[in-house]
Amino acid sequence: AQKVTQAQTEISVVEKEDVTLDCVYETRDTTYYLFWYKQPPSGELVFLIRRNSFDEQNEISGRYSWNFQKSTSSFNFTITASQVVDSAVYFCALSVLSNDYKLSFGAGTTVTVRA
Amino acid sequence: DTGVSQDPRHKITKRGQNVTFRCDPISEHNRLYWYRQTLGQGPEFLTYFQNEAQLEKSRLLSDRFSAERPKGSFSTLEIQRTEQGDSAMYLCASSHPGDGYTFGSGTRLTVV
Repeated sequence: AQKVTQAQTEISVVEKEDVTLDCVYETRDTTYYLFWYKQPPSGELVFLIRRNSFDEQNEISGRYSWNFQKSTSSFNFTITASQVVDSAVYFCALSVLSNDYKLSFGAGTTVTVRA
Repeated sequence: DTGVSQDPRHKITKRGQNVTFRCDPISEHNRLYWYRQTLGQGPEFLTYFQNEAQLEKSRLLSDRFSAERPKGSFSTLEIQRTEQGDSAMYLCASSHPGDGYTFGSGTRLTVV
């Protein structure tokens, strides 16, 4: 079975602060994908990133960066210089070959950025 | 293609009534998924289709729930004899196997 744990339920920061969201996953599969989604108050899940299990390169996209470490089964997400528009619920998710790549989500982390 | 569309966006129904939701996936995607999300939780898998074939139903999906995807295009999710515990956001997504998923805006169901 696979599992995603997002230990942080809520994070509140002041605008321009950096915020890091933790994600720890569990799977016995060697072939899997990790995802981050953003869910603003409107409710739609917005895709942010997908990484496969064979690519541990960290990635940066604008103010967003991701740190994938297989040794600790973690896929952490950092928002640099946060803005009010970053306020949302962020979900980490896992899909594995043995589960036919169905997505398993963590419980989410609510990020509130205060002006 | 404008992405995954779900209709309606909101539905309020009385307990015991039947409701049906529709999802129109991205046309090139052969897989379609239904997820349910309750307040403060991540989305939970309900069922999925490859083309018109329903591949799996979660144990979360009681006998009151049925999903179809006729002709491998749009899909419907019906809930019969709704209960207050059915109140949730119902999310639809489409993909190619192993690719990223595209989610719709969801249907928020409130059972009163």
